[in-house]
Amino acid sequence: EAGVAQSPRYKIIEKRQSVAFWCNPISGHATLYWYQQILGQGPKLLIQFQNNGVVDDSQLPKDRFSAERLKGVDSTLKIQPAKLEDSAVYLCASSFLRGGFYEQYFGPGTRLTVT
Amino acid sequence: GESVGLHLPTLSVQEGDNSIINCAYSNSASDYFIWYKQESGKGPQFIIDIRSNMDKRQGQRVTVLLNKTVKHLSLQIAATQPGDSAVYFCAENFYGGSQGNLIFGKGTKLSVKP
Repeated sequence: EAGVAQSPRYKIIEKRQSVAFWCNPISGHATLYWYQQILGQGPKLLIQFQNNGVVDDSQLPKDRFSAERLKGVDSTLKIQPAKLEDSAVYLCASSFLRGGFYEQYFGPGTRLTVT
Repeated sequence: GESVGLHLPTLSVQEGDNSIINCAYSNSASDYFIWYKQESGKGPQFIIDIRSNMDKRQGQRVTVLLNKTVKHLSLQIAATQPGDSAVYFCAENFYGGSQGNLIFGKGTKLSVKP
């Protein structure tokens, strides 16, 4: 079974530029998550989708971050404009329901450096 | 790739020894817990999970213990191998599993000496 795919793997941009990340979840996984992982910390949830609807975006900085999952499969996360503090690894995960609980599987992440 | 283990607590063990990684979780209402392993340049990898109605669960070479009284979780790795070197995160779920939202702990870097 193929895992969660993300691209690009690395991105370097200047502050105030925009950037977009792409995620393709595991086939059949209805739930998709975007996390931000700052160096030395655990992942922090930004947004969660159930099919193409947003379940939780309470920690998404909506003035600069946006995400969509139009057809309930692939998803994109965009930052516009980027700030220095956005430098982090952006992880996508997808999950399925097993025994009443959601088991999440992560992609390799996109490492963003803002200069 | 750049390590995700900078500034994290580090546990250093000899190959073949057992490792114990500890985690304090924050919410007494959490009912589902997961341990993840993260190698440098990779995303977190699921290791083992446990529900709040259990206090112990075993997998292959790994055991998770849950103490709800003191909100403490531990991961035991038997006969630690060099391939176990990574950062380990515990994660808790607040919502009864219905939404799958996870809150991650700070992580512990495990270093295995050959």
